[in-house]
Amino acid sequence: NAGVTQTPKFRVLKTGQSMTLLCAQDMNHEYMYWYRQDPGMGLRLIHYSVGEGTTAKGEVPDGYNVSRLKKQNFLLGLESAAPSQTSVYFCASSPHFIGQGKRGYTFGSGTRLTVV
Amino acid sequence: KNEVEQSPQNLTAQEGEFITINCSYSVGISALHWLQQHPGGGIVSLFMLSSGKKKHGRLIATINIQEKHSSLHITASHPRDSAVYICAVRSPGNQFYFGTGTSLTVIP
Repeated sequence: NAGVTQTPKFRVLKTGQSMTLLCAQDMNHEYMYWYRQDPGMGLRLIHYSVGEGTTAKGEVPDGYNVSRLKKQNFLLGLESAAPSQTSVYFCASSPHFIGQGKRGYTFGSGTRLTVV
Repeated sequence: KNEVEQSPQNLTAQEGEFITINCSYSVGISALHWLQQHPGGGIVSLFMLSSGKKKHGRLIATINIQEKHSSLHITASHPRDSAVYICAVRSPGNQFYFGTGTSLTVIP
């Protein structure tokens, strides 16, 4: 089925370790996003991309880096994990043209990250 | 102050009731989204609106651009509608803002 695939689904890191979360979409969407969701905080945008080779900062970009070398993939990197980065991470994609007939976002199933 | 405010934060309804969730925003938008998140975490996009009204099954979404307000209605609510409903807006400059969600519980 077409959609957004995130890997891994769960991960436990020690403080200071690094890791990369992978997001892949097969819908040829131009836009891709990384969000984090914390209890009581709602979704917060970390970084996003409006096309291959482009990235931009969202609301909470510090401590994260991203890359979009291929249109279908959007990588989120944690350079030196901190306990404050314990969260659920969601990737999403959307088409560039927002037509009335489209629902917009397609979300991945999430990655639960714990930093100890 | 949040750019997107939702009300109510929590809502409990009896099965069969008509439900309304409200979303007010303070920025200019190119699109407004309604999202649904079930316990267990999966997020589904329900609607994307830039004007008027859209209907999908028992769900109806409306938007009033002049008043910067949108509503999500659920007719004949069912326990499987229990979820968190999130309003999100995208500005013409590609800024994204999310409400903190409305937690809906429908009791059989």
